[in-house]
Amino acid sequence: DAKTTQPTSMDCAEGRAANLPCNHSTISGNEYVYWYRQIHSQGPQYIIHGLKNNETNEMASLIITEDRKSSTLILPHATLRDTAVYYCIVRATNTGGFKTIFGAGTRLFVKA
Amino acid sequence: SAVISQKPSRDICQRGTSLTIQCQVDSQVTMMFWYRQQPGQSLTLIATANQGSEATYESGFVIDKFPISRPNLTFSTLTVSNMSPEDSSIYLCSVGDTEAFFGQGTRLTVV
Repeated sequence: DAKTTQPTSMDCAEGRAANLPCNHSTISGNEYVYWYRQIHSQGPQYIIHGLKNNETNEMASLIITEDRKSSTLILPHATLRDTAVYYCIVRATNTGGFKTIFGAGTRLFVKA
Repeated sequence: SAVISQKPSRDICQRGTSLTIQCQVDSQVTMMFWYRQQPGQSLTLIATANQGSEATYESGFVIDKFPISRPNLTFSTLTVSNMSPEDSSIYLCSVGDTEAFFGQGTRLTVV
């Protein structure tokens, strides 16, 4: 079973920040928080991941609470092309590959 | 990063037939993963393909229905056998250690 809980859907106005929450209250000490997104008819795309510190890259920021039981993905200036399903996943990393278990995700609608 | 190519990108098949999906990666990887995405649903892991050993299947998936080959470190195939309309899905392969990379998927329609 997926280890995360996300809202089913969210709306965001174009140009505004999109804040996508995720609960992962049973996360283990060696598990990272990952975010992927899937734009319609495409394979999932990696966005960002973190262990306990906040992370930022060219796509998004990841804020992880101090107890690591929840996190928020922030798209600072959402565009129409950010409309997608966003998956929050917890997994350990391991050399040689590690299977990724997907939950239902959040369907983000960015509106003009 | 890894670039993954899947073939075919889509197909329409008759029930009772089988389809083999190919996944080619541009670098050597130890494990490859096969997923199914039914219409409107999230991704479900089918199996992990290991080079030099039998694939490991997730609960609800069996080798007779989804045989997998892994002849080398850059290639794998998934066969969907004796297809029925319920097998209509997108099938994706994935690789990755720190990050998971996905192919664009094979859209299968069974009629």
